[in-house]
Amino acid sequence: DAGVIQSPRHEVTEMGQEVTLRCKPISGHDYLFWYRQTMMRGLELLIYFNNNVPIDDSGMPEDRFSAKMPNASFSTLKIQPSEPRDSAVYFCASRRRGTGELFFGEGSRLTVL
Amino acid sequence: QKEVEQNSGPLSVPEGAIASLNCTYSDRGSQSFFWYRQYSGKSPELIMSIYSNGDKEDGRFTAQLNKASQYVSLLIRDSQPSDSATYLCAVTRLYSSASKIIFGSGTRLSIRP
Repeated sequence: DAGVIQSPRHEVTEMGQEVTLRCKPISGHDYLFWYRQTMMRGLELLIYFNNNVPIDDSGMPEDRFSAKMPNASFSTLKIQPSEPRDSAVYFCASRRRGTGELFFGEGSRLTVL
Repeated sequence: QKEVEQNSGPLSVPEGAIASLNCTYSDRGSQSFFWYRQYSGKSPELIMSIYSNGDKEDGRFTAQLNKASQYVSLLIRDSQPSDSATYLCAVTRLYSSASKIIFGSGTRLSIRP
């Protein structure tokens, strides 16, 4: 079975530009999580979905961040406008149904200049 | 107080020795506990899960849980250089609408030959 697929793997953009990160979870998994990882703050939970419905977005840092999950096989995390402090690795992870086991994508490394 | 706390390390252990990693959590309602390993530049991967008080062994790895003390640990026996990585502790209320999965900041482990 294919793992969690994220794109792009690397994104370099200029401050003020819109950034869209994409995620395809593992088929059959019921939860999808978006995390951000930096050296200073570690792995921070941004938002998570259950059966495509957003459950908790309290970790989203600002209104500049938004996330959607239009169907069971696709989710996006959008930053508009982007700022240098948004530079980080963004991970998407899906949870195996009935367990708490997360499976991570390879991450999207974002650099905002 | 952070929800999940770990000593950041680095923890240096000689090859062949036992590495002991510790984690404390603040939510007494937590039900499920996980250890993830993250190599530099890679995504976290699940290595152990534990749901009940006591010990759980899997090969060279043993997870230990004490819910009364809100403490979970990971022992790695016969440490190998390939065990050098950051180890992340994760905690969740599995059977709850609040099924967010929170990670500690990780402990960096270095196995010296």
